[in-house]
Parts: sequence; structure tokens; C-alpha cells
Amino acid sequence: EVQLVESGGGFVQPGGSLRLSCATSGFTFSTYWMHWVRQAPGKGLVWVSRINTDGSSTNYADSVKGRFTISRDNAKNTLFLQMNSLRAEDTALYYCARGARDHYFTDVWGKGTTVTASS
Amino acid sequence: QSALTQPASVSGSPGQSISISCTGTSSDIGAINSVSWFQQYPGKAPKLMIYDVNNRPSGVSNRFSGSKSGNTASLTISGLQAEDEADYYCNSYTTSRTYVFGTGTKVTVL
Repeated sequence: EVQLVESGGGFVQPGGSLRLSCATSGFTFSTYWMHWVRQAPGKGLVWVSRINTDGSSTNYADSVKGRFTISRDNAKNTLFLQMNSLRAEDTALYYCARGARDHYFTDVWGKGTTVTASS
Repeated sequence: QSALTQPASVSGSPGQSISISCTGTSSDIGAINSVSWFQQYPGKAPKLMIYDVNNRPSGVSNRFSGSKSGNTASLTISGLQAEDEADYYCNSYTTSRTYVFGTGTKVTVL
């Protein structure tokens, strides 16, 4: 069974940092692109970032570019999101999602981890 | 990277058909046939319902169908059922190699 399990969320003051992790199992992690998507409380889905299979190519939403860094460890089947200079508007449930092979959509999602940036 | 535009809410009676529109631009929906649709229940992760405009993943009911014309994509739910009451989001790949979601539509079964 394909599984994505996010962790690392928590409470942080504005300007602080957090590192999210997404542990995966049930598929060959190193052959799939991976994404992060977030959802603020009571709001809609917002795409955050994606990374290619070997980590050499990344893309970001304008709202997080320069502050967030996506990375992966294929030996540990784990995806990461380093979040720096956090703002109140970054408060959200962060989902990890698998990119479908040879297509531009995400086909499997985790349950998310909550990040709260507040003073 | 403005969100794609969806109606805030759509409603219908059991058995009826409803459609949800998703309007973008020539840099996303109009440029690439990579529109997907997600269903989300409260407190749950999104579930893929349609990919590449009009394809259903295995296990998704054939009551769900997708289409696209120009810069607008649509999701149609036929034979509406109580279990279809949820939030629905469209998503598109863009020419900037990013992705954009729609604003979301709450479907209510009357």
C-alpha cells in the first residue's frame, strides 16, 4: 500500500524556521517527482513546491520562493521542506503528494502536518 | 500565479447532474491538457477524481467526468448522490512549470 506520512509541523514565531518531513512507503520513491501543497484553515488548496526524481530540479510558488527549500533523500525514501522566515500567512496544513509518472498531476496524498506561525 | 476561478457553491437534488466550472488563462488551462480535479471531505486529504482533463483513475465512479474548452475546464457529476457532498478543486500545470489550484467549490446535495 502506498503511504505518505508527514511530520515536523508545530508552533513557531514569525521569522522562525521549521523542517517538514514526508516518509514514504509502498512505491519506488526515487522514480517519482514529489510535491508539497498547503491549505490554510478554512481556505483552499495552494501548491507550494515540487522536486524531480534526483533532486536536481525544483519549482516553487512565488509566495514561498527564496524562503522555502524542497529536498529529498532517496536512500531514506523521504521528502523534506525547509521553511525559513516564516510568516503568519504560512500557517496551514501542509500535505505531501506524489506526482504521477509522466503526467502533470498528483495521485497520492498524505494526511498533512500543521504549521502555525504566530506571536 | 492567481488561483483558477471556481463558483463558491453548486447544489443539486439527488439524481440530477451538476457542473463545476474552472476558469484560468492561456498560461495554464488554455495552454496544456493537464487539468485535474480533487474531491475533499472536511478534515480529510484531497482525492484525485479526474486527471488530464477527462480521465478517471481506477476506482472513481463513472458519474464523474471532465472536459475543457479554451481557458475553462469543467467537472460534471451525473446522478448526484448524498456522498458527493464535498469540496471540489481543479488544478492545472502552467507554462511557468508551476501548478495552480482553483478557489474551490462546495457541492451541496439538497
